[in-house]
Amino acid sequence: EADIYQTPRYLVIGTGKKITLECSQTMGHDKMYWYQQDPGMELHLIHYSYGVNSTEKGDLSSESTVSRIRTEHFPLTLESARPSHTSQYLCASSHGQGHGYTFGSGTRLTVV
Amino acid sequence: TQLLEQSPQFLSIQEGENLTVYCNSSSVFSSLQWYRQEPGEGPVLLVTVVTGGEVKKLKRLTFQFGDARKDSSLHITAAQPGDTGLYLCAGTGTSYGKLTFGQGTILTVHP
Repeated sequence: EADIYQTPRYLVIGTGKKITLECSQTMGHDKMYWYQQDPGMELHLIHYSYGVNSTEKGDLSSESTVSRIRTEHFPLTLESARPSHTSQYLCASSHGQGHGYTFGSGTRLTVV
Repeated sequence: TQLLEQSPQFLSIQEGENLTVYCNSSSVFSSLQWYRQEPGEGPVLLVTVVTGGEVKKLKRLTFQFGDARKDSSLHITAAQPGDTGLYLCAGTGTSYGKLTFGQGTILTVHP
């Protein structure tokens, strides 16, 4: 039973389009994260948030932006998608340091 | 930046065999976690270890945290095809709540 939801699961769009990947969690977690992952490869942190109105860039440079207006919602936006953005995007949340992450099922993005 | 190195990167074994996956770093971690990920899904937390030398068992899986809290291992006894997946170790260091992930080990268990 998923407590963190990502939509859409799959998205194919054309180059130059603006897209928003949705992520919502019902656990009341303060901390939320966005990771980028190519199939079978390691996770790269692209954005994180420690609470409402708090957002930080992660270890991997990304052209995407995020917002955290509500605790439960952490959307990621690409203003102008490019083929290099093709990847799987995973959203996660956690209660705090030392606690495990709960991941969503991911959004597999393909930019053509 | 704290780095975690996992080995092996790929592991292909027959059903019933035992295996060990290693996760090593030159940095100390306050806690370390293991995740399993199936294709097309997000990683799922298997275990968290926080004390140096700690050993945790989850059915056929045994997790160990090194005494110095710089390394960890995952041992699977009598592997089954259902164990197939990507195994990821991740550590929490100095950055509050932020995990550093290893590169992952792709395990394939053949019937």
